[in-house]
Amino acid sequence: DQQVKQNSPSLSVQEGRISILNCDYTNSMFDYFLWYKKYPAEGPTFLISISSIKDKNEDGRFTVFLNKSAKHLSLHIVPSQPGDSAVYFCAAKDYGGSQGNLIFGKGTKLSVKP
Amino acid sequence: GAGVSQTPSNKVTEKGKYVELRCDPISGHTALYWYRQSLGQGPEFLIYFQGTGAADDSGLPNDRFFAVRPEGSVSTLKIQRTERGDSAVYLCASSLSIRDSPLHFGNGTRLTVT
Repeated sequence: DQQVKQNSPSLSVQEGRISILNCDYTNSMFDYFLWYKKYPAEGPTFLISISSIKDKNEDGRFTVFLNKSAKHLSLHIVPSQPGDSAVYFCAAKDYGGSQGNLIFGKGTKLSVKP
Repeated sequence: GAGVSQTPSNKVTEKGKYVELRCDPISGHTALYWYRQSLGQGPEFLIYFQGTGAADDSGLPNDRFFAVRPEGSVSTLKIQRTERGDSAVYLCASSLSIRDSPLHFGNGTRLTVT
């Protein structure tokens, strides 16, 4: 049973527009969330995170929104650039449990077209 | 380079053989993690170390898998009697500490069991 779900396997966006990547989770004990970006043949790279005590965190073109009541988070990229084309993974951590155990979604492949 | 280094980058082995995968974390990072990523999936947690000891090995699929970190730096993931289902990319990551510290991943070792 997947605890972190990314229901869209792929997303295509025009350069300069907004990319919105979605993630849902089922475990209400999750209290820290992260987004990673992965290029082919490379390991995932940390992008941005958010604690459950916040509902928004912004870093440059990247903003993560957290809706705890809906158990939903989203990553907004504005404006999207061709170099943003990659697979994006949502991940969650439960500090009450094993602190080393990040649980990942299956990823969403983002294609930004020039 | 100051990143997480994994060797080899690719490993092809025959069913039933023994393999060792090596991870050299970022200098000064006390926490080290192993994840496995199968095709079309997100990374799945295997084990993490805090210093020399395995703090959580609950993700290891069975007793054919074992990992060590004898001096608190380099780690080796060992797989005995490999099976075709073990084919995946094995990712290593390190972090400064367990809490509030993003994981920095290496590029992974692609293991293929024929």
